[in-house]
Amino acid sequence: DADVTQTPRNRITKTGKRIMLECSQTKGHDRMYWYRQDPGLGLRLIYYSFDVKDINKGEISDGYSVSRQAQAKFSLSLESAIPNQTALYFCATSVGGPYNEQFFGPGTRLTVL
Amino acid sequence: AQKITQTQPGMFVQEKEAVTLDCTYDTSDPSYGLFWYKQPSSGEMIFLIYQGSYDQQNATEGRYSLNFQKARKSANLVISASQLGDSAMYFCAMRDFGGSQGNLIFGKGTKLSVKP
Repeated sequence: DADVTQTPRNRITKTGKRIMLECSQTKGHDRMYWYRQDPGLGLRLIYYSFDVKDINKGEISDGYSVSRQAQAKFSLSLESAIPNQTALYFCATSVGGPYNEQFFGPGTRLTVL
Repeated sequence: AQKITQTQPGMFVQEKEAVTLDCTYDTSDPSYGLFWYKQPSSGEMIFLIYQGSYDQQNATEGRYSLNFQKARKSANLVISASQLGDSAMYFCAMRDFGGSQGNLIFGKGTKLSVKP
């Protein structure tokens, strides 16, 4: 079984709809992250959480919200989706410190029509 | 501010040859880690190799090696004996203790195409 899972893997929705992307991990890591990837722009950080009670905005948090339901679960919500939120979304986990890699989920392809 | 620069949007390499993907970084923190990830067309992010700022030797993992030149702030990825399966996007990334609070900062990536 994968260590970091994301649901759904693909989603098509309409402008104005609320949508939630879910992430679960079995690695026991405290830190969880949500990234967005657009062609030619690399990955940009949306939100990150160092533990259940510590949630922080990343580089591009406008239009998004998150919930850390448990150490293993971190959800990303788009309250009112818009077309420029069409992207590939990744969840990741890690331990703290600069010497450890982040482990990524398989990604969710979101299309907002 | 922390920054990662990958200046090669796309590269071609002949199968079985070696290729170097460039990465330069900028940080004022003496403690940092440098990472390379591979993203094939299927979309997943695959961790390849890591180099710590205090490591004395260049990191190696199979056919991957990291040419770490600290004074020049560069961390180039070298892939030896390229294979068709190496065709993918490659991202350089950095973590430090500074303003990014240990979060990964990514470059924009290099698309590598391996020709048979």
